[in-house]
Amino acid sequence: GENVEQHPSTLSVQEGDSAVIKCTYSDSASNYFPWYKQELGKRPQLIIDIRSNVGEKKDQRIAVTLNKTAKHFSLHITETQPEDSAVYFCAAHRNRGSTLGRLYFGRGTQLTVWP
Amino acid sequence: DAGVIQSPRHEVTEMGQEVTLRCKPISGHDYLFWYRQTMMRGLELLIYFNNNVPIDDSGMPEDRFSAKMPNASFSTLKIQPSEPRDSAVYFCASSPVYRGKKPQHFGDGTRLSIL
Repeated sequence: GENVEQHPSTLSVQEGDSAVIKCTYSDSASNYFPWYKQELGKRPQLIIDIRSNVGEKKDQRIAVTLNKTAKHFSLHITETQPEDSAVYFCAAHRNRGSTLGRLYFGRGTQLTVWP
Repeated sequence: DAGVIQSPRHEVTEMGQEVTLRCKPISGHDYLFWYRQTMMRGLELLIYFNNNVPIDDSGMPEDRFSAKMPNASFSTLKIQPSEPRDSAVYFCASSPVYRGKKPQHFGDGTRLSIL
């Protein structure tokens, strides 16, 4: 199968600073990498995703980078705000095998942005 | 687009009772996923379906858990008999047919408490 590891498990930053969350994956056949944000008591929501044929993608204050050679991808949040506080999950889609279609999730990062 | 609809939102029941969780995926989505989320174990995939057929149920914790998808617009997850350790938030998610991307859309979840 696929194994996705996510670091750090907790991250505290001051408002206005940047936050970076990193994930690694094990299967070179993985080709799609979404990021989800889950606020307390709410459902996970897709915030950005990237396909393996792209190295970087940006959407306002968030960006994702992908290094296929090293098998790692990262979420970057700039100019953090208190409302960015949430748990962030990375995931990978493995493009082969009997489990085609499922996402493999990291364990999550609790981001706290202090005002 | 109404999103993924789950019911009930909250369920409190006594140990030994049967629990049925319901999910209506987004129309046109071919994949449906059931997850369980706890503080200790994070987000766990229990089972998923493609075109109403179960693909991988290796995450189902034991025989007390069962899931069905009788048609493209409805799925159930049953626990019988329920135990206190089944207390968790259960999410249903759906995603469209593979087009190079597989974004999963989550429902609001069912918060289950077994007394």
